[in-house]
Formats: sequence, C-alpha cells, structure tokens
Amino acid sequence: EVQLLESGGGLVQPGGSLRLSCVASGFIFSTYAISWVRQAPGKGLEWVSAISGSSASIYYGDSVKGRFTISRDNSKNTLYLQMSSLRAEDTAVYYCAKVRGGSYYVIDYWGQGTLVTVSS
Amino acid sequence: QSALTQPASVSGSPGQSITISCTGTSSDVGGYNYVSWYQQHPGKVPKVVIFDVSNRPSGVSNRFSGSKSGNTASLTISGLQAEDEADYYCASYTSSSTLVFGTGTKVTVL
Repeated sequence: EVQLLESGGGLVQPGGSLRLSCVASGFIFSTYAISWVRQAPGKGLEWVSAISGSSASIYYGDSVKGRFTISRDNSKNTLYLQMSSLRAEDTAVYYCAKVRGGSYYVIDYWGQGTLVTVSS
Repeated sequence: QSALTQPASVSGSPGQSITISCTGTSSDVGGYNYVSWYQQHPGKVPKVVIFDVSNRPSGVSNRFSGSKSGNTASLTISGLQAEDEADYYCASYTSSSTLVFGTGTKVTVL
C-alpha cells in the first residue's frame, strides 16, 4: 500500500524558514517523481514543485522560485521541501504527491498534508 | 503561470449530466494532451478521475469523461449522483515543464 507521510509543518514568522519532510513507503521511491502541492485554507490547489526520481530534474512554481528548495534522499525514501523567506501567502496545507509513472504530473497518491502557518 | 479558468460552481439534479470547463492557453491546455481532473470531497485529499484529457484510472466510474478543444478542456459527469458533490480541479502540464491547476469548481447536486 502506497503511503506518504508529511511532517515539519507549524507556525513560523514572516521571513522565517521551515523544512518539510515526506516519508514514502509501498513503492520503489527512487523510480518516481514526486511533487509538492499546497492548498491555502478554503482555497484551491496550487502546484509548488517537483523532482524526478534521480533528482536530475527539478521544477518550481513561479510563486516559490528562489525561496523554496526541493530535494530527496532515496536511501531514506524521504522527500524534503526547504522553505525560506516565508510570507503570509505561503500559509497552506502542503501535500506530498506521487506522480504516476510515465506521466506528465498525473498525481495518483497524496499524503494527508502538513499545515504551515506564516504569521507574527 | 496563471491558474486555469474554471466556473466557480455548477449544479444539476440527480440523473442529469453536467460539464465543467477549464480554459488555459496554447502554453498549457492547448499545447499538450496532458490535462487531468481531480475530485476533492470536503476534508479529503484530491483523487484523480481523468488523466491525459480523456483517460479514466482504474476504479473510476465511467460516468466521468473528459475532452478537449483548443485551449479548453472539459469534464462531463453523466447520471449525476449525490456522491459526485465535491470540488473539481483541472490541471495541465505546461511549456515550462511545470503543472498548473485550475481555479476549482464546486459541484452541487440539487
């Protein structure tokens, strides 16, 4: 059974930093691209970033480019999102999402999410 | 990258068919056959119901169908049921090798 478990969310002040983690199980982690997708309270989905299985390809959405860094450790089946220069508008539930094999960003499994609140 | 445009809400009676539109540009929806649709019930994580414009994942009801014309993709739900009441989001691969979601549509079963 595929499982994605996010952690690291919490309350942080504007301008601060936070690192999210996502531990995966139930599939061969190193062979799949993974995305981060966020959803502000009561709002829609926003794609944040993606990383290929080998980390050779990394992409970011315009709203986080230059502030967020995605990475993965395939030996630990873990995905990370280092977030810096956080703003109030970054407040959201952050989902770790597995990309369906051979697809262009089709998400077939989602974690339960971790809430990040940016506020003073 | 601007969000794809969807109607805020669509409603229908049980048994009817409804269609949700998703409008983008030639750099996303119009340029690739990589449009997906996600269903999200309140308090739940999204679930893909259509991928690559018109393909249904295993286990998804055949009442869900997708299509595309130019820069606009569409999701049709036929034989509307109470369990279909949810938020629906389209998503498209883009020319920047990123993903963009739609603004979301709330489907109400009357």
